[in-house]
This record gives sequence, structure tokens and C-alpha cells, in this order.
Amino acid sequence: SQTIHQWPATLVQPVGSPLSLECTVEGTSNPNLYWYRQAAGRGLQLLFYSVGIGQISSEVPQNLSASRPQDRQFILSSKKLLLSDSGFYLCAWSPTRNYGYTFGSGTRLTVV
Amino acid sequence: ELKVEQNPLFLSMQEGKNYTIYCNYSTTSDRLYWYRQDPGKSLESLFVLLSNGAVKQEGRLMASLDTKARLSTLHITAAVHDLSATYFCAVLDSGAGSYQLTFGKGTKLSVIP
Repeated sequence: SQTIHQWPATLVQPVGSPLSLECTVEGTSNPNLYWYRQAAGRGLQLLFYSVGIGQISSEVPQNLSASRPQDRQFILSSKKLLLSDSGFYLCAWSPTRNYGYTFGSGTRLTVV
Repeated sequence: ELKVEQNPLFLSMQEGKNYTIYCNYSTTSDRLYWYRQDPGKSLESLFVLLSNGAVKQEGRLMASLDTKARLSTLHITAAVHDLSATYFCAVLDSGAGSYQLTFGKGTKLSVIP
């Protein structure tokens, strides 16, 4: 069966520090991968999605970036965090483009 | 651009009562998903609705889809406290070949004893 792993679960980082969040999927190949952010009490904002290795589409301009170095690995990064980057970051995958998503357990990021 | 609207955004209901959450969307789609999110947790898939007239039921929750009206409903029967959570609907947006899910803002449900 397919599983999605996301880490770390929680992170407290100072303003201006770098960020790296990792997401991996097991039990499938060539998944579509997604990064979402959920601010406190708010809805879901799509940040990036990827349909293949090295293929990244950005939905919202910001100081975040994403990379997909391997088929089942998706990384969210920042060189310098802002206070506004705080939130709950969710990775998700789907087997094809017209299928629902399965979400990882999420990373709660607090920038101080 | 696909827009997904849920209402109500907040719902407080007594145990044992029935209620319906509505999800309207703006462009044609025949795939709609419902998710549940507990406080501080990730999203859990509840229902996948793939065609007009589709109805799915799990316990006290029943979801339906009317693609002609661009409307899905999530009906709660005889609510219990364990159903307290935020419920999201999401619609597949196949416009411009993107095939992304567009989420509603979520309905925060509180079931009061």
C-alpha cells in the first residue's frame, strides 16, 4: 500500500533562517506531489505542485521554493524565513492528475 | 478560475440534531471530494463523488453530488460530539490541463452535548 511521510512534525525557526521540509511517498511511482500551506484558522493554499522529477509549478509568488530531486521525494525550502511563513504545511500526493489527494501528517512551522 | 464556496463556515449544533453543509462550485466538474480535519491534524479523505447523482454514506455522514446544479451536500444525521471537526470540500479543476483540486474554505463543526 502507498504511504506518505512528512517531517519534521513541528519546527520553530528564527526569522531569516533557512528552511527545509521533506516529503516522501512509498509504494507508488511517478506520483503527482503537492505542497499546501494552512495559516491558523484558514483554508488551504496551494504553494507548489509537481508532475515529475525536476518539474515544479508555483502557484503563489513568495520566498519559498520546491524541488523534486527523486521520483518520490518533494522538498520545500526557503533561504530566509519571514514571520508570515508560519503555518501548517501539508504535503499531498495523487496517483494521476484526475484523482483525489492523500495528505501527509503535516509540519507545524512557527517563525519567531 | 474555479471557485468553491462552502456554507456555513461555522456550525454549532446540538447532539442528536440533523444538519447539512453545502458546497457550490463555479465551473463544470464531475469529481468532488470531502475531507475531514481534526484540530492540529492533517486532512483525512471522507468521500469521493465521481458522477452526477452520486451518493455516499459512512455512519452519520452522507454526501451527494449534483453536477448540473454544481452542488454537493454533506448531511449529518443525529450528530455526536465525535463529529466535531472542520470539513472541506474540494473540486477537481481540469481547466487548462492543470487537474488540481480547489478547496473550499472549510466548515468548522462543533457538536455540543
